[in-house]
Amino acid sequence: DIQMTQSPSSLSASVGDRVTITCRASQSISSYLNWYQQKPGKAPNLLIYVVSSLQSGVPSRFSGSGSGTAFTLTISSLQPEDFATYYCQQTYSTPQTFGQGTKVEIK
Amino acid sequence: QVQLQQWGAGLLKPSETLSLTCAVYGGSVSAYYWSWIRQPPGKGLEWIGEINHSGSTNYNPSLKTRVTISVDTSKNQFSLKLSSVTAADTAVYYCARFGQVVYYYYALDVWGQGTTVTVSS
Repeated sequence: DIQMTQSPSSLSASVGDRVTITCRASQSISSYLNWYQQKPGKAPNLLIYVVSSLQSGVPSRFSGSGSGTAFTLTISSLQPEDFATYYCQQTYSTPQTFGQGTKVEIK
Repeated sequence: QVQLQQWGAGLLKPSETLSLTCAVYGGSVSAYYWSWIRQPPGKGLEWIGEINHSGSTNYNPSLKTRVTISVDTSKNQFSLKLSSVTAADTAVYYCARFGQVVYYYYALDVWGQGTTVTVSS
């Protein structure tokens, strides 16, 4: 299985801050990398697919980058509704695997 | 707009079989792959497996011996069975569409509401 490792596991930030979350794959996954946002008690929601493409309706303050084994999710200016847990996911090979999650909390 | 609605038993005893169903509304199960994912309390996401309309399946090797995913195209539904459950199978279970987002790339782009399954004697 391909292991996905996110860092940090959690972070505290203020509204307006720039936030960056890193995701590393245990082997190259090309561009088969998606990001999800999950709020408490809710199903995850697709945020970004194929490294950097925003899902419909996702604000432009979210962006993604990377290739191969190293990827980042950036929130350019954190908004109150962005406090959530974020997961990366690889779909390069079966089984699909997720990072352990990064919880973004209010500072 | 495609929506998924899922249901099934929420409380099981050890050794019983978990059974969940997910209905597809606003779209057809005869397109894409359809997936099950679970999330233990306070933990991350684990992919269980997927199926397409013709019944072709892929399972997580860690659960493969206990998992069966099936599809009923006449009802536009797909289902999950997990046998011989233990407390370690306690989790929120989600169904989701593994949709083609662009060219050869896929993502879990539509999710059910989740079903909490507790295994306890």
